[in-house]
Amino acid sequence: AQSVTQLGSHVSVSEGALVLLRCNYSSSVPPYLFWYVQYPNQGLQLLLKYTSAATLVKGINGFEAEFKKSETSFHLTKPSAHMSDAAEYFCAVSRTGTASKLTFGTGTRLQVTL
Amino acid sequence: GAVVSQHPSWVICKSGTSVKIECRSLDFQATTMFWYRQFPKQSLMLMATSNEGSKATYEQGVEKDKFLINHASLTLSTLTVTSAHPEDSSFYICSAIDRNQPQHFGDGTRLSIL
Repeated sequence: AQSVTQLGSHVSVSEGALVLLRCNYSSSVPPYLFWYVQYPNQGLQLLLKYTSAATLVKGINGFEAEFKKSETSFHLTKPSAHMSDAAEYFCAVSRTGTASKLTFGTGTRLQVTL
Repeated sequence: GAVVSQHPSWVICKSGTSVKIECRSLDFQATTMFWYRQFPKQSLMLMATSNEGSKATYEQGVEKDKFLINHASLTLSTLTVTSAHPEDSSFYICSAIDRNQPQHFGDGTRLSIL
C-alpha cells in the first residue's frame, strides 16, 4: 500500500519569502506523485506531477517539487510567496499511474502574511 | 482545458431525505470518475470508483446502499445519498479521468443535513 505524510498542517510565510511544504511518501513500487491546491469551498487543482521522468518537476504558478528517492520525499517549493498562494495544499500518491486512484496526505494550510 | 462540473454546489435538506449530486465532464469523455468525501479541515477520502456502464467499486467502510453511484454515460456520474442524516453532512467532491491524464476535480458539493 502507498501513503503520503505531510509534515506541518499549517505553514505561515511572509509575502516574498520562500515556500516549502513537505511531503514524504511510502510506496512498494515506483510512485506517481502529485501536488494539488484547494481554495476554500472549491475542488482541487493540479499543481504538478512526478511520473518517473525528470526528478525536478516544474508546475503552475511558479511552484516546483523535487523527487528524492533516497529521502522518499517530494517537497513543494516556491521561491517567493504571493498573497494569492494562501490555500490548502495536498500531496498525493498513485501506485499505478496518473489516471488511477489517489491517496492523499492530510494537507497543509499555507498562510501568507504581509 | 478539461472541466468537470459538479451540481449542486450547496444543498441543505431535512434528515431522512435523499440527495442526488451530479458530476459531469464537460469537454471530454470520462471512462472513470471518482467520488471523495472531505470533512472540515481534513483530507479527501476516496469513497468509490465509478466506471461507465458497470457497478461502482466502493472503498472499505463505505456503505454502498447508503451512497448510490450511477455512471450511466461517459460524461455523467451521480452520487445519491439515501435517507440522509446529519452525520452525512460533508463536502463531496468528484473527479474524472480524461484518458491517461491526471484527475480533473469538480468544485465540490457542500451537503448539510438538518
